[in-house]
Amino acid sequence: AQTVTQSQPEMSVQEAETVTLSCTYDTSESDYYLFWYKQPPSRQMILVIRQEAYKQQNATENRFSVNFQKAAKSFSLKISDSQLGDAAMYFCAYRSGFYNQGGKLIFGQGTELSVKP
Amino acid sequence: DTAVSQTPKYLVTQMGNDKSIKCEQNLGHDTMYWYKQDSKKFLKIMFSYNNKELIINETVPNRFSPKSPDKAHLNLHINSLELGDSAVYFCASRKSTGGANYGYTFGSGTRLTVV
Repeated sequence: AQTVTQSQPEMSVQEAETVTLSCTYDTSESDYYLFWYKQPPSRQMILVIRQEAYKQQNATENRFSVNFQKAAKSFSLKISDSQLGDAAMYFCAYRSGFYNQGGKLIFGQGTELSVKP
Repeated sequence: DTAVSQTPKYLVTQMGNDKSIKCEQNLGHDTMYWYKQDSKKFLKIMFSYNNKELIINETVPNRFSPKSPDKAHLNLHINSLELGDSAVYFCASRKSTGGANYGYTFGSGTRLTVV
């Protein structure tokens, strides 16, 4: 079975600085997708960034980028120029590329990010 | 228009009661999900329907029964509510056909409190 681990329950960053959130996963599959979701206090789940396992290039979305290390099964999220609005719970998630898995997301435990002004 | 809407947003009920949570999506997606977020904010899949067919049924007490009357709706009925059922329940949908990389759309969640 696949697992996702986020070893940092809480992180803190100064406004305008850079922070990296860690995520490791375990799978024997070759076809899968990895995601970072943001959950602010409103509890809405917001997709931050997505990475296809078959792509070697790291995904980027504006101030958000990932460091995808497939061999090490590591998928960290870097937030540059942190803003107060980035404060939220961040979840790393895995989804199998195999249709018989039903497309379910397997989540890590989450990292609570606070941003100091 | 809200893409994935859940009702109610908050639900407070007594132990032993039966309650339902409803979910509707207007995105034309063919697959819908229920996730449970516990008090430690851990998210776990419960059920999934694809074109009204149950495709995922994780280890969930059989007091929980999902129903999908059509592709746009997925309801969750819970019998004999227990204190441990208190959580936030999220509905989500996605389009599964045409490639496995279609993203999820989540509802805003239903906070269930059992007293």
